[in-house]
Amino acid sequence: QQQVKQSPQSLIVQKGGISIINCAYENTAFDYFPWYQQFPGKGPALLIAIRPDVSEKKEGRFTISFNKSAKQFSLHIMDSQPGDSATYFCAASMDKEKLTFGTGTRLTIIP
Amino acid sequence: ETGVTQSPTHLIKTRGQQVTLRCSSQSGHNTVSWYQQALGQGPQFIFQYYREEENGRGNFPPRFSGLQFPNYSSELNVNALELDDSALYLCASSLDWEEAFFGQGTRLTVV
Repeated sequence: QQQVKQSPQSLIVQKGGISIINCAYENTAFDYFPWYQQFPGKGPALLIAIRPDVSEKKEGRFTISFNKSAKQFSLHIMDSQPGDSATYFCAASMDKEKLTFGTGTRLTIIP
Repeated sequence: ETGVTQSPTHLIKTRGQQVTLRCSSQSGHNTVSWYQQALGQGPQFIFQYYREEENGRGNFPPRFSGLQFPNYSSELNVNALELDDSALYLCASSLDWEEAFFGQGTRLTVV
């Protein structure tokens, strides 16, 4: 009930392309869905987050798409840049309390 | 930088020993959460402190304990260290239950 499943495990995208990472959850009580970016040796940094009352949220090149009926949400990175190369984690929580994280996606942007 | 600082950054301990990790929360934040991130995995929730009281605990044994001080800084103590305790330990702070900001983590190696 508490799992958040994330795919793919790793992703290689050409510079300028669209990176797409997917997550699925089981617990319908989750009401907060953030995405974190983590560089080696650093802690996770909040990128963008969404509540289930909207189906999409966009901030700059980053967009979350949310499908409540399918219990799925995804991160889209438009115009991917080499500086976006990092590990991305989706997460879910109730009332922004303890976060349940996915297993991570290692994104590599190649020139 | 998030304003959440953790110390030490790296630590090597022997199996069976005890360790204390420290976290200074971002100014104005009253909630601290601790997470364990094993290599190649997403962070796992250990416990959360709100205004010096434990406010939720994940699936970790009692040898993982914590404390939050009146200035909202926090400690994570782990007794009887095991090899599997080797991980990156992350502290996250927030104001009440707003967005959590992570520190850079403490890399613990148990040998």
